[in-house]
Amino acid sequence: EPEVTQTPSHQVTQMGQEVILRCVPISNHLYFYWYRQILGQKVEFLVSFYNNEISEKSEIFDDQFSVERPDGSNFTLKIRSTKLEDSAMYFCASSARTVRGDTQYFGPGTRLTVL
Amino acid sequence: AQSVAQPEDQVNVAEGNPLTVKCTYSVSGNPYLFWYVQYPNRGLQFLLKYITGDNLVKGSYGFEAEFNKSQTSFHLKKPSALVSDSALYFCAVRDMNRDDKIIFGKGTRLHILP
Repeated sequence: EPEVTQTPSHQVTQMGQEVILRCVPISNHLYFYWYRQILGQKVEFLVSFYNNEISEKSEIFDDQFSVERPDGSNFTLKIRSTKLEDSAMYFCASSARTVRGDTQYFGPGTRLTVL
Repeated sequence: AQSVAQPEDQVNVAEGNPLTVKCTYSVSGNPYLFWYVQYPNRGLQFLLKYITGDNLVKGSYGFEAEFNKSQTSFHLKKPSALVSDSALYFCAVRDMNRDDKIIFGKGTRLHILP
């Protein structure tokens, strides 16, 4: 069964450094998403992406964040200058957006630790 | 604004007994409703969804959920719990006419006692 994959599984970085989190969505999916889950808190939407542009973003997704689909398979989330409060589990998701509605399928997550 | 409430932080059920994990929602339009499960150190795994049609939807691992429009609820159920069902369960909603994003509840930890 096709799955969303994410790398790395755990990323440790120093405050102020740039990080890039990588995702490979399910191959025939057209809609891509990033969510995050701060430890002990609920899963929060960051951004959705379709047709090579952002279709929706939350208040969390400020100028420090960017997303890109650099090729036909990868979908990346970049944080330009990490802050301590960016420490969280980051989930990538993808959906096909079928006529009857879409299910978003999630990857296993990348745990980001900012020191 | 969309929101999801899961009133129980934890639910304890003896193995073999029926289980219910509660969820209520609020959206301005018609809802898409989802249940996801998260096992330790794993991602969010899709269990089931309600889009339209029959109010009782069946999903993976013997789980089912009942959509109740008047009570704006979407409780997750299983007739006979297994120890392996122990995990963190998230209810989620999307406004089908508006947004891309899914709004998650805070999660309910299900603990099945052997």
